[in-house]
Amino acid sequence: NAGVTQTPKFRVLKTGQSMTLLCAQDMNHEYMYWYRQDPGMGLRLIHYSVGEGTTAKGEVPDGYNVSRLKKQNFLLGLESAAPSQTSVYFCASRADGRSGNTIYFGEGSWLTVV
Amino acid sequence: QKEVEQDPGPLSVPEGAIVSLNCTYSNSAFQYFMWYRQYSRKGPELLMYTYSSGNKEDGRFTAQVDKSSKYISLFIRDSQPSDSATYLCAVLYTGGFKTIFGAGTRLFVKA
Repeated sequence: NAGVTQTPKFRVLKTGQSMTLLCAQDMNHEYMYWYRQDPGMGLRLIHYSVGEGTTAKGEVPDGYNVSRLKKQNFLLGLESAAPSQTSVYFCASRADGRSGNTIYFGEGSWLTVV
Repeated sequence: QKEVEQDPGPLSVPEGAIVSLNCTYSNSAFQYFMWYRQYSRKGPELLMYTYSSGNKEDGRFTAQVDKSSKYISLFIRDSQPSDSATYLCAVLYTGGFKTIFGAGTRLFVKA
């Protein structure tokens, strides 16, 4: 009963380092999302994908890149981490509109950039 | 102007109280209205889902949508300490790809 799985759960980075967050879903969902959640700001969409091989920018895409080479995986990359990217990151997935609109979230990845 | 506005709270109530959580939205094109519940250090989970206007009830929870005033509400009856969480409202266009979330209201129910 995995659903949406994110790795790693916790990570501390130094400014300028790079890293990749991995998201995997086993529900055969078409749509996948990366959000960040900050106090008082709610969930803000970073990037999203509406199918394998596609990606699109969300509300706060600067400083992040994504790839969706396989339908079940959605990777979020930070090329040169900045302290402003300290946040909790949530991956999510959803079936296409014909099959339902419920978003399923992962457990979150806590990232600290020092 | 944000597309969805939600008072972040915190809201503190005694056990057994009726809780009212609210959001407003700006675009009348939204058709799907949702409430997610998020416990501390966990991902949000869908709590209630409403299409268009009206009420929907599920146990102690009632979701209400008033499209004329662009107002979304969640009512919790007989609140319990286990209801302590952050509640996020969310909206979606028909055929839309992006679900838009409110900032979330943090609720504390005291035993």
